[in-house]
Amino acid sequence: ELQLVESGGAVVQPGGSLRLSCRGSGFPFDDFAMHWVRQIPGKGLEWVSLTTWDGGNTFYADSVKGRFTVSRDNSENSMFLQMSSLTPDDTALYHCAKARTSDQYFYFGLDVWGQGTSVTVSS
Amino acid sequence: DIQMTQSPSSLSASVGDRVTITCRASQSISRYLNWYQQRPGKAPKLLIYETSSLQSGVPSRFSGSGSGTGFTLAISSLQPEDFATYYCQQSHSLPLTFGGGTTVHVK
Repeated sequence: ELQLVESGGAVVQPGGSLRLSCRGSGFPFDDFAMHWVRQIPGKGLEWVSLTTWDGGNTFYADSVKGRFTVSRDNSENSMFLQMSSLTPDDTALYHCAKARTSDQYFYFGLDVWGQGTSVTVSS
Repeated sequence: DIQMTQSPSSLSASVGDRVTITCRASQSISRYLNWYQQRPGKAPKLLIYETSSLQSGVPSRFSGSGSGTGFTLAISSLQPEDFATYYCQQSHSLPLTFGGGTTVHVK
């Protein structure tokens, strides 16, 4: 079964840092670009970041650029999101998701999603 | 950034009804448009990619159409498990952007 499981969410104070993890199973993790997408409770979806299959290229939403860093360790079938200078606007459920095919980063949708890990930024 | 606008934001329907949801892009995205379904407390699920291609395992009552800036998701005969929120998403260029969602309620 194709699966993604996120972890690392927590309650953190404004200005704080957090590292999220996403572990994949049931597919060749190192073949696929991976994404982070967040969702404010009761609201819509916001794309956050993308890492290519080898971590060689990374991309970010303007709202997190310079504060968040995505990385991956293919030997552990894992992707990470290092978050710093957190603000209340970063409060959300963070999902990781897989690009649908191995030959593109995002054109044809995200076909496997994790349940998400919750980040709350509050004093 | 490409803005995605969905309508309606919510609708009420009955089992067996035909339902259509519209998504409009702020600029042409060719056919790089995907649809997701999200049930309460669950992760989004890819239904349709590249405007009209059905993701593996998705029932054939779901269909998509459109190109350029206007797109439609149709459910031919609504089933109980289809009461959920639906999102369109453009994959033409980064940043990927999603519509605001359409929630399908029981009438």
